[in-house]
Amino acid sequence: GQQVMQIPQYQHVQEGEDFTTYCNSSTTLSNIQWYKQRPGGHPVFLIQLVKSGEVKKQKRLTFQFGEAKKNSSLHITATQTTDVGTYFCAVTNDYKLSFGAGTTVTVRA
Amino acid sequence: DGGITQSPKYLFRKEGQNVTLSCEQNLNHDAMYWYRQDPGQGLRLIYYSQIVNDFQKGDIAEGYSVSREKKESFPLTVTSAQKNPTAFYLCASRRRGLETQYFGPGTRLLVL
Repeated sequence: GQQVMQIPQYQHVQEGEDFTTYCNSSTTLSNIQWYKQRPGGHPVFLIQLVKSGEVKKQKRLTFQFGEAKKNSSLHITATQTTDVGTYFCAVTNDYKLSFGAGTTVTVRA
Repeated sequence: DGGITQSPKYLFRKEGQNVTLSCEQNLNHDAMYWYRQDPGQGLRLIYYSQIVNDFQKGDIAEGYSVSREKKESFPLTVTSAQKNPTAFYLCASRRRGLETQYFGPGTRLLVL
């Protein structure tokens, strides 16, 4: 399946600060999905991006799809302890998902 | 209360033993998937099924088997041929025509 690289693997954030995690591919993607997995939990769908340059917001989370559709980013503003978890990007190929390795976020209060 | 259920939450396997993980959904979804997650890693696809009585191998099918006799159920058997079965197993389902997958709570398999 298609490969996506996520960076950074770990993100330690001070509560109240912003951070960005990135998802990169060497090939053009038809779309990209983002999931969040809380510690000990299961992945939960956050959003899907389809269009080149698309930007979607969910409260403090901003998702962007690159103009060339080869990369995506998730930006979180004013990080809260509820943001703790692992964020995965995933690309679809014939209704199968290929997941990145994830960015694990910890928050310092 | 619609959703995906997986049982058991924890499962212990002895050497040479086959074990079966349950996955049931009442979302009326056509497609179902099994993933394996190892610590600090992403999800890897084991098997998937787009329709009843049909399933395909994913990226890491060796040592696993599945069946899809009913739309609601997609059990996964971890056979003794799987030499490193300790992992977190996640089942997911998808509605036809959409790409979003919904995950169950997972089963943690440990080898004694």
